[in-house]
Amino acid sequence: KNEVEQSPQNLTAQEGEFITINCSYSVGISALHWLQQHPGGGIVSLFMLSSGKKKHGRLIATINIQEKHSSLHITASHPRDSAVYICAVRRRSARQLTFGSGTQLTVLP
Amino acid sequence: EAGVTQFPSHSVIEKGQTVTLRCDPISGHDNLYWYRRVMGKEIKFLLHFVKESKQDESGMPNNRFLAERTGGTYSTLKVQPAELEDSGVYFCASSPRLAGVYEQYFGPGTRLTVT
Repeated sequence: KNEVEQSPQNLTAQEGEFITINCSYSVGISALHWLQQHPGGGIVSLFMLSSGKKKHGRLIATINIQEKHSSLHITASHPRDSAVYICAVRRRSARQLTFGSGTQLTVLP
Repeated sequence: EAGVTQFPSHSVIEKGQTVTLRCDPISGHDNLYWYRRVMGKEIKFLLHFVKESKQDESGMPNNRFLAERTGGTYSTLKVQPAELEDSGVYFCASSPRLAGVYEQYFGPGTRLTVT
């Protein structure tokens, strides 16, 4: 079992819908990252969290350290949000990231 | 400020050949990481440099993979000889300091196809 589990693996939404992607992890962490990868593109960091909640534009990320769970929300989704969203954690004992398998999001116009 | 760059963007080689991937981190970043995603799987860690020293190479799959970081600047990852299962996307990332928790900045990746 992977140390970082994401759900759903695939998500199709209509433009304007509210989207939630979930991430659960099973190890102690110092930080959790949400990353975005567009088709054929590189990886872009969206958020780095160690507690609480962060917001950037239409994106909101939350983390519950006690429950070892994080969510990424997209409000008023748009076709340009279509991408793979990846959750990754930095374990307390390490510097590298451990990744989830990613969520393929498709937003239809 | 220039981001992390990787070269080439795509490489197609035959089984048994050698390929060298290059990563140029953001200037001044001491930490450099190599990751790869093979088909259908999650991205996995390969190794971590701090300046020119290998800090952690626990993710290197076998001795066909050799990474170097000359003078603590750019890094190369050589695969020799390449096998079919080495196909995937190789990402490099860098971060600025050893202590503390910093974001990692990713390069665009090199797509390696071994035929």
